[in-house]
Amino acid sequence: GAGVSQSPSNKVTEKGKDVELRCDPISGHTALYWYRQSLGQGLEFLIYFQGNSAPDKSGLPSDRFSAERTGGSVSTLTIQRTQQEDSAVYLCASSLDGSGTGVSDNQPQHFGDGTRLSIL
Amino acid sequence: AQKVTQAQTEISVVEKEDVTLDCVYETRDTTYYLFWYKQPPSGELVFLIRRNSFDEQNEISGRYSWNFQKSTSSFNFTITASQVVDSAVYFCALSDLSKAAGNKLTFGGGTRVLVKP
Repeated sequence: GAGVSQSPSNKVTEKGKDVELRCDPISGHTALYWYRQSLGQGLEFLIYFQGNSAPDKSGLPSDRFSAERTGGSVSTLTIQRTQQEDSAVYLCASSLDGSGTGVSDNQPQHFGDGTRLSIL
Repeated sequence: AQKVTQAQTEISVVEKEDVTLDCVYETRDTTYYLFWYKQPPSGELVFLIRRNSFDEQNEISGRYSWNFQKSTSSFNFTITASQVVDSAVYFCALSDLSKAAGNKLTFGGGTRVLVKP
């Protein structure tokens, strides 16, 4: 597809269950990011993948959150033992190489429609 | 630490009025990028503009214009002759160019713009 694709678009689950959110980035984009958008916290960075490098997990709020990216393309964000405070919209973004340090780098990130997660 | 402040939480205007959205940022880095994104009711974040810290020229794109002032750490956004389709939440964001940061974005809290017909 032309844009970043996320699934499911909506997910409702009971507290304590595990959930998996999927992101399919734009073809050719080597950088992939997960963000969370919630009423109280705004838009927060969660995790960043760049090619085969170790991911930057500095934004993950707890060890219940994890993510992987297989084959440098599709990524899955997993939340274990969900809590009500995990309710939010989870946004995925991708960009061309995000590892550059020159002024010609820092390519814009293109976002998917997000997954709206509701924990009952 | 980086920080982006959008002091206006909501702005309501009548169609054809101009509207200016304020963005003030904090960073210790000398090189960085600033962005504006639009989030319409459908929810998808739409990229509008990227500006690097070395380029302080103002930019105009159609009815949109941006005023970057490094001296005041501001990157304001103006919509001229607003239209109902401009109704959305607008986010200002900042990223630095350090390799470790991987260009992750620090967002402001967003400004909701409501354009009434």
